[in-house]
Amino acid sequence: NAGVTQTPKFRILKIGQSMTLQCTQDMNHNYMYWYRQDPGMGLKLIYYSVGAGITDKGEVPNGYNVSRSTTEDFPLRLELAAPSQTSVYFCASSWAGGKDIQYFGAGTRLSVL
Amino acid sequence: AQKVTQAQTEISVVEKEDVTLDCVYETRDTTYYLFWYKQPPSGELVFLIRRNSFDEQNEISGRYSWNFQKSTSSFNFTITASQVVDSAVYFCALSETGGFKTIFGAGTRLFVKA
Repeated sequence: NAGVTQTPKFRILKIGQSMTLQCTQDMNHNYMYWYRQDPGMGLKLIYYSVGAGITDKGEVPNGYNVSRSTTEDFPLRLELAAPSQTSVYFCASSWAGGKDIQYFGAGTRLSVL
Repeated sequence: AQKVTQAQTEISVVEKEDVTLDCVYETRDTTYYLFWYKQPPSGELVFLIRRNSFDEQNEISGRYSWNFQKSTSSFNFTITASQVVDSAVYFCALSETGGFKTIFGAGTRLFVKA
């Protein structure tokens, strides 16, 4: 049972480049989340999904896009990378929304130079 | 609006000391859930405990204990006889019942020195 798997673990982008952060979970969870973690700032919610085909914005969605075509996958797209997007990104999933325990991936450390 | 405050940015203790991590929350809801997560140096967040707003009973799990007080909107976490392996960042989080989102505090970094 792999849980939540994120790829890649590390990535360096140049300003203006695009990339997709991959997230897959094998627990059949309906809810999935993308967070970013900046030093000393805790986790900020970027986007979340309550099921396949349904996504919504979190606190800091600007500069990102998501899709949820299957229950398992929830990729995060950065279209035009900016230095402000340098951060550690975490994907998480849960069975029953906010009241439920969230299971996190190992994170993706992204630097935009 | 929801808010979670962890006023302690960093705490440093010597092994075997007891340490308490503070968490104060704000919410307008009468029903909600509180969480603690641990982020060890490896980076992955790990769930420690969940408490709902109806259950103010304190909980002890091994060396860990949690003190939930609705009157002061606090959900503090105590580690007894700390160990080096307890070194991590600890996050307190809040979610309103029926909501989809969880609000995380800024985290407290705990250093336990041998």
